[in-house]
Amino acid sequence: DTEVTQTPKHLVMGMTNKKSLKCEQHMGHRAMYWYKQKAKKPPELMFVYSYEKLSINESVPSRFSPECPNSSLLNLHLHALQPEDSALYLCASSQERGSFYNSPLHFGNGTRLTVT
Amino acid sequence: AQTVTQSQPEMSVQEAETVTLSCTYDTSESDYYLFWYKQPPSRQMILVIRQEAYKQQNATENRFSVNFQKAAKSFSLKISDSQLGDAAMYFCAYRSGDTLAGSYQLTFGKGTKLSVIP
Repeated sequence: DTEVTQTPKHLVMGMTNKKSLKCEQHMGHRAMYWYKQKAKKPPELMFVYSYEKLSINESVPSRFSPECPNSSLLNLHLHALQPEDSALYLCASSQERGSFYNSPLHFGNGTRLTVT
Repeated sequence: AQTVTQSQPEMSVQEAETVTLSCTYDTSESDYYLFWYKQPPSRQMILVIRQEAYKQQNATENRFSVNFQKAAKSFSLKISDSQLGDAAMYFCAYRSGDTLAGSYQLTFGKGTKLSVIP
């Protein structure tokens, strides 16, 4: 069983829809991440939150809006997406860099997003 | 910028045999961390093994071991007694030890798809 839980597992949305991806962890990690993964490619970093504050935004288009309501939850709000945004979206968490910075990332099972 | 290269897009191994997956990286840093992640069809990225650059001893985790050659910037993964459940995409990843910048980032290789033949 994964310690990082993502919902939903699958999502199909139109280009005018608004939807949200959710991620939850209860390992006490203070760094949380969103990655995007296209088929047969490695994951690409999108956002990093540290202590509920956005610390890295890898020049992601504004149609992706992250939110970290508390230390256990991470959301990704989606609006006006394009078909090329279809991908696997992975959430991950880790110890915050200042305390145990060689800690590996723990990943969820991902949300398979299809934009029609 | 760091780069990670996995030169074998696909590999296959007979069940119970041993296979080695290659990974090389390029960095100017002296302090960093290396990981192997496994991604089966279930999609979850699972940590297989990790290595700290300042440790000379090669990491081992049960049937998984690495050959870490710091001077050559090589970090290969050896899987012994291969099992059907080992079939997956394997990603080599690099993480900077610099706490001021970049330490969040995992730089991934392109991956090696491993098939296990019964």
